Amino acid sequence: GENVEQHPSTLSVQEGDSAVIKCTYSDSASNYFPWYKQELGKRPQLIIDIRSNVGEKKDQRIAVTLNKTAKHFSLHITETQPEDSAVYFCAASRWGSNFGNEKLTFGTGTRLTIIP
Amino acid sequence: DTGVSQDPRHKITKRGQNVTFRCDPISEHNRLYWYRQTLGQGPEFLTYFQNEAQLEKSRLLSDRFSAERPKGSFSTLEIQRTEQGDSAMYLCASSLVGRPYEQYFGPGTRLTVT
Repeated sequence: GENVEQHPSTLSVQEGDSAVIKCTYSDSASNYFPWYKQELGKRPQLIIDIRSNVGEKKDQRIAVTLNKTAKHFSLHITETQPEDSAVYFCAASRWGSNFGNEKLTFGTGTRLTIIP
Repeated sequence: DTGVSQDPRHKITKRGQNVTFRCDPISEHNRLYWYRQTLGQGPEFLTYFQNEAQLEKSRLLSDRFSAERPKGSFSTLEIQRTEQGDSAMYLCASSLVGRPYEQYFGPGTRLTVT
């Protein structure tokens, strides 16, 4: 089955600086890669996603890049703000196939702390 | 609130007891997923439904676990003969079958087995 590794496990960044979180996946058939943000005691929330037919996607201060050959993808947050402090999870899955594996496999999370 | 809801939010039970959790998905969503999340880990897939059909179950879902979605709307997850290792946050998520990859999570049910 799919295995997703995520690094680093903790990350502290000065407010205004950029943060980068990296994930690798094992299943070359995976074709959808979402990122979730989970604040303390709250539900995971989808913040951005990317499909395997594109290499990069951006939404305001957040961007995700995908390297299918190397099987890794990254989350980039620019101009970080205190409200960006949370745990971020990457995930991988394969959709639209006959494999029946349409579920998310999550990484272990990165605790991001923005230092004011 | 039109999001995914779960009940109860917290459950404390003694080892050996049975517990049942409920998930109400977003009304037009026909896919429903159950995940389990332990402290410091990402959510782990347990099972999912498309309408009332249970399409996949994880190996994590032992015989003590059963999930149903009888009318294709809300779902229940039952754990029989609970063990301390069952202590976790149980998360439900839903999505549209046409966009199954966009899963929206509920607030979770935190289970503590003493």
